[in-house]
Amino acid sequence: EVQLVESGGGLVQPGGSLRLSCAASGFTFSNYWMSWVRQAPGKGLEWVANIKEDGSEKYYVDSVKGRFTISRDNAKNSLYLQMNSLRAEDTALYYCARGLYSNSLWGQGTLVIVSS
Amino acid sequence: QSALTQPASVSGSPGQSITISCTGTSSDVGGYKYVSWYQQHPGKAPKLMIYEVTNRPSGVSNRFSGSKSGNTASLTISGLQAEDEADYYCSSYTSSSTRVFGGGTKLTVL
Repeated sequence: EVQLVESGGGLVQPGGSLRLSCAASGFTFSNYWMSWVRQAPGKGLEWVANIKEDGSEKYYVDSVKGRFTISRDNAKNSLYLQMNSLRAEDTALYYCARGLYSNSLWGQGTLVIVSS
Repeated sequence: QSALTQPASVSGSPGQSITISCTGTSSDVGGYKYVSWYQQHPGKAPKLMIYEVTNRPSGVSNRFSGSKSGNTASLTISGLQAEDEADYYCSSYTSSSTRVFGGGTKLTVL
């Protein structure tokens, strides 16, 4: 089955760190750009970051530059998001999604709550 | 990286057609053919409905269509059905090699 499964979310204090993972299956992971998209509770979608097939190019939304790092391990069919210096406004459901110009496949998301 | 502008809500009766607009700039919507639209039902992940302005993925009803004029893209849903009630988001590639989403539009089927 073609799917993406996120994990690693949870409750973290402001200033803390968290690493999200996304396991891909059912398709050739190394052939696709991958993205992270988040959705704060009751709010709209916000694109966070994406990474090229071979990991050589990475792009971020301004609000997370210098704090978040996207990476991938094609041998493990996995996508990651290392989140440091977390803020309350980073509280959201984080989706892993396939694609560069559009996202044809989405996971179910992993919830990150930043609160003291 | 300002969000694209969408109406907060639209409504229509079953069988009618509605159009949702998505306004950006020449650095995103107006500059590229990479506008996409997503449907999201409550508690569910988004679903791709339109990509590259006008293209429908396999399995998406032909009642959904997309277009673009200048800096504004549009999603039209014809023959409205109850199951079309959902939130809809547009998205565009940008000149900074990033992506940007619209604020979302809540569609109510009366």
